[in-house]
Amino acid sequence: GESVGLHLPTLSVQEGDNSIINCAYSNSASDYFIWYKQESGKGPQFIIDIRSNMDKRQGQRVTVLLNKTVKHLSLQIAATQPGDSAVYFCAVLGGNQFYFGTGTSLTVIP
Amino acid sequence: GAVVSQHPSWVICKSGTSVKIECRSLDFQATTMFWYRQFPKQSLMLMATSNEGSKATYEQGVEKDKFLINHASLTLSTLTVTSAHPEDSSFYICSASDNNSPLHFGNGTRLTVT
Repeated sequence: GESVGLHLPTLSVQEGDNSIINCAYSNSASDYFIWYKQESGKGPQFIIDIRSNMDKRQGQRVTVLLNKTVKHLSLQIAATQPGDSAVYFCAVLGGNQFYFGTGTSLTVIP
Repeated sequence: GAVVSQHPSWVICKSGTSVKIECRSLDFQATTMFWYRQFPKQSLMLMATSNEGSKATYEQGVEKDKFLINHASLTLSTLTVTSAHPEDSSFYICSASDNNSPLHFGNGTRLTVT
């Protein structure tokens, strides 16, 4: 199986600063990872993914870093904006099933 | 990107009635669809996995006779909450995958049973 944990349940950042959200997983055989953003009352929205053959992947204002040695995953959001306020959680593919972290609630202070 | 449509977005029903929630993949064929339940400030709890044309696989503790899942085509899965009770009130979310792409989620259905 797999267990997934997020390091901080809440995170507050100033608008314009960078945000870093972390996730830890337990199964070293897990090979596919996804970050989702969930706004209140909505379903999760895909942000970025990464496979285990990569350490880093960049999107628009977002970067995902994967450290397989310590089984750690992070999401970096550059120049955080008020519209980035949401709950972020990672999903880890273990076997045929995705396992989800409990989420970090990001609040952007204007 | 891939779009998953879930309907209705919210529903209020009386105790004892049944409610059907639809999940459609709009621009891809979903070989597998997943149904989740989410409580406030908690993560997604997988209820069942459905594959097109076969019976759904339910997670431990989920009553298959209460939460009926039908995956009749590669673009549609339905979840029917039968004989709903107030404790069934929750946020239900579906997701879909074609095995070559990440999971894409519907926008969820807020079910309130009075």
